[in-house]
Amino acid sequence: DGGITQSPKYLFRKEGQNVTLSCEQNLNHDAMYWYRQDPGQGLRLIYYSQIVNDFQKGDIAEGYSVSREKKESFPLTVTSAQKNPTAFYLCASSIRQGSNYGYTFGSGTRLTVV
Amino acid sequence: AQTVTQSQPEMSVQEAETVTLSCTYDTSENNYYLFWYKQPPSRQMILVIRQEAYKQQNATENRFSVNFQKAAKSFSLKISDSQLGDTAMYFCAFMNLRGNAGNMLTFGGGTRLMVKP
Repeated sequence: DGGITQSPKYLFRKEGQNVTLSCEQNLNHDAMYWYRQDPGQGLRLIYYSQIVNDFQKGDIAEGYSVSREKKESFPLTVTSAQKNPTAFYLCASSIRQGSNYGYTFGSGTRLTVV
Repeated sequence: AQTVTQSQPEMSVQEAETVTLSCTYDTSENNYYLFWYKQPPSRQMILVIRQEAYKQQNATENRFSVNFQKAAKSFSLKISDSQLGDTAMYFCAFMNLRGNAGNMLTFGGGTRLMVKP
């Protein structure tokens, strides 16, 4: 079955550490996205990528970095510069940017700073 | 910038009844898409229904339908014959189609719906 796989499901980070969240899709989608969701709130865009080797900042990119070396993969690194990283992170993809089919989402990663 | 507003943080409905979730959006564009997503306790985001702005006919998917009022910039979701499995957070989302930089989904703050037995 095609879909998006996010791992790990739960992640704990110590102060000052960088951590990387994995996002893999086998839908042959060109575009991929990372969103952050805080408790009781909507989703905010961190980074997006329209095509391999290209990515753009979203609304809240500070303290995060991404890479898009393969079409299937779009990992997100939460750096020590991100002051409040505890949140739920969702990865999504679409066949192309601006698709009327909307996005397909992964099941998310819950990141907690300890 | 586009904004999406869901004015009802929480709602409840009795099983088998009908409930309407509100959504308004702000844009100066004429060509866009609108979506409703459901996020159950599993946190998986699931597409419920979508509407293209150029279509006057309201979209319908089984028990889910929308009331799209383009002039009023309103996009409400009606759930008929509510079921316990409809309990979830519901997010309204907007996608502008102008140019290359605007084709991302912008989400509202969500409405938590509880279906009571």
